[in-house]
Amino acid sequence: GENVEQHPSTLSVQEGDSAVIKCTYSDSASNYFPWYKQELGKRPQLIIDIRSNVGEKKDQRIAVTLNKTAKHFSLHITETQPEDSAVYFCAATQAGTALIFGKGTTLSVSS
Amino acid sequence: GAVVSQHPSWVICKSGTSVKIECRSLDFQATTMFWYRQFPKQSLMLMATSNEGSKATYEQGVEKDKFLINHASLTLSTLTVTSAHPEDSSFYICTYLAGVNEQFFGPGTRLTVL
Repeated sequence: GENVEQHPSTLSVQEGDSAVIKCTYSDSASNYFPWYKQELGKRPQLIIDIRSNVGEKKDQRIAVTLNKTAKHFSLHITETQPEDSAVYFCAATQAGTALIFGKGTTLSVSS
Repeated sequence: GAVVSQHPSWVICKSGTSVKIECRSLDFQATTMFWYRQFPKQSLMLMATSNEGSKATYEQGVEKDKFLINHASLTLSTLTVTSAHPEDSSFYICTYLAGVNEQFFGPGTRLTVL
């Protein structure tokens, strides 16, 4: 089955810096890669996703890149703000199947 | 976006009792849904996949006789934790599969077993 590795487990940055979180997946059949932000005690919120037919996607300060050959994808947050502090999860899935999550990255943005 | 509700949002129970968690899709119908649990400071772990009208498929290590899933309609699924023990204390989240990939999350249920 699918296995998703996520690094780093914790990331501390200064406000205004960029943050990068990386994930690798094992199943070449996976074709959908969402990223979630989870605040304490709440459900994960989808912040951006990418499908396997696309190499990069951007939404304002957030971007995701996908390298299918290497089976890895990354989340890039630019101009970080204190409200970006949260736990971020990557996930991988294929059509009709469950999301398989990485272990999460705790991002701390200090002002 | 689609709305998914869970009830209760939190529950405290005594060891040995059973707890039922409801997951409803409020404005759409879906055949497939998933149950996850999340222990403190950990990731979401898939417990089972459920298709309406069929028996759930459980992940390895998840006891099907302990975590009973009923998915009798396209908008309602229930997870019953039977004979709950403190190690079952966790955050339980349901998701509904909409379309090909996108999943809509319930708000989660915090279970504490004393």
